[in-house]
Amino acid sequence: DSGVTQTPKHLITATGQRVTLRCSPRSGDLSVYWYQQSLDQGLQFLIQYYNGEERAKGNILERFSAQQFPDLHSELNLSSLELGDSALYFCASSGPFGGRNEQFFGPGTRLTVL
Amino acid sequence: GQNIDQPTEMTATEGAIVQINCTYQTSGFNGLFWYQQHAGEAPTFLSYNVLDGLEEKGRFSSFLSRSKGYSYLLLKELQMKDSASYLCAVRHDQTGANNLFFGTGTRLTVIP
Repeated sequence: DSGVTQTPKHLITATGQRVTLRCSPRSGDLSVYWYQQSLDQGLQFLIQYYNGEERAKGNILERFSAQQFPDLHSELNLSSLELGDSALYFCASSGPFGGRNEQFFGPGTRLTVL
Repeated sequence: GQNIDQPTEMTATEGAIVQINCTYQTSGFNGLFWYQQHAGEAPTFLSYNVLDGLEEKGRFSSFLSRSKGYSYLLLKELQMKDSASYLCAVRHDQTGANNLFFGTGTRLTVIP
């Protein structure tokens, strides 16, 4: 158990809909990262937040948005869903910058768009 | 940008040694990580290299050559439970950020 929690574990929805994925980082971690993992692709970095502020952006679509709240939990919002958005979405957290500072991953949310 | 390459699949025998290679090209480098991921589960941290050389940790070792853009993960005394995907990830040299760029992973199958 990494200490990172994600809800829901599974999500099934239809094209055109909007969903929200939730992540709580490890106790004390200020950084939260979101990744997408499709069947034929590796882990794709989407976005990073640090203490409530956006810190880095990867290949995140305009239909997707995220935020980190004062209690440090984060939400990833996916809208106008398409079939190709079906994937595993992972959240990770890490401690202060510097040194090894490895990321700890949550169990993921499996999104299926029908 | 980042370009990270690793073999798609490998097979090895229980008790043997296997080396998984990773090559990368990046506009900035601030560390290389290896993660293990069992199917449908979260990636878990295995090793970290930021300086050239070998880092050993039990049955697992990782090597880095920054000048060659090359790393490998060495797994010794293979066990059936080592069957998993092994992900190579490069941390980009960006102030204040710690985001990782992953290769597509190497799926290792350990056979009896």
